[in-house]
Amino acid sequence: DTEVTQTPKHLVMGMTNKKSLKCEQHMGHRAMYWYKQKAKKPPELMFVYSYEKLSINESVPSRFSPECPNSSLLNLHLHALQPEDSALYLCASSQVGYTQYFGPGTRLTVL
Amino acid sequence: ILNVEQSPQSLHVQEGDSTNFTCSFPSSNFYALHWYRWETAKSPEALFVMTLNGDEKKKGRISATLNTKEGYSYLYIKGSQPEDSATYLCALYMEYGNKLVFGAGTILRVKS
Repeated sequence: DTEVTQTPKHLVMGMTNKKSLKCEQHMGHRAMYWYKQKAKKPPELMFVYSYEKLSINESVPSRFSPECPNSSLLNLHLHALQPEDSALYLCASSQVGYTQYFGPGTRLTVL
Repeated sequence: ILNVEQSPQSLHVQEGDSTNFTCSFPSSNFYALHWYRWETAKSPEALFVMTLNGDEKKKGRISATLNTKEGYSYLYIKGSQPEDSATYLCALYMEYGNKLVFGAGTILRVKS
């Protein structure tokens, strides 16, 4: 099983809402990642978890809060987002230092 | 800030044409260069990982080369097919931080 799943596929939320994005993998990977991609721009790294510990936070605003409850799951909690946070959010996983496997993404729209 | 450039931004070819695109980068201080293929509404799919200057990789009709001294990688598709239509991303895997730095991609459309 080389699949990374993400839910939901699409999410529309208001600026006062709290929502969460979920990512799951069953490949035994010990590194998991969140990326953000705006239209016609490269995917940009947000967070890296290695062995369930946050190892990289790329100066992401605190309205984005990652969580790694176990080695298979990665969440991204969203609160008080701005319209400019509308983007495709991609999750990936890998063995540490090896090829990253990506999910299909969650398309987020903030109204 | 490391800037990974990909050119062209988009490419439209006829079925059967061969095509190539470029990934340029300013530094050789990276561990590996990755190529991904990303079809609409699907997950980015890893194509190649290259680490050494002069590396060449091949998968079916698709091949890639790496020149770290001059800072570029080429991706070639021989005899393009409609199913090759996708965005092709390159990314540098940095020696520090376990992170990928992506280019913006080349959008390929193959007309039948």
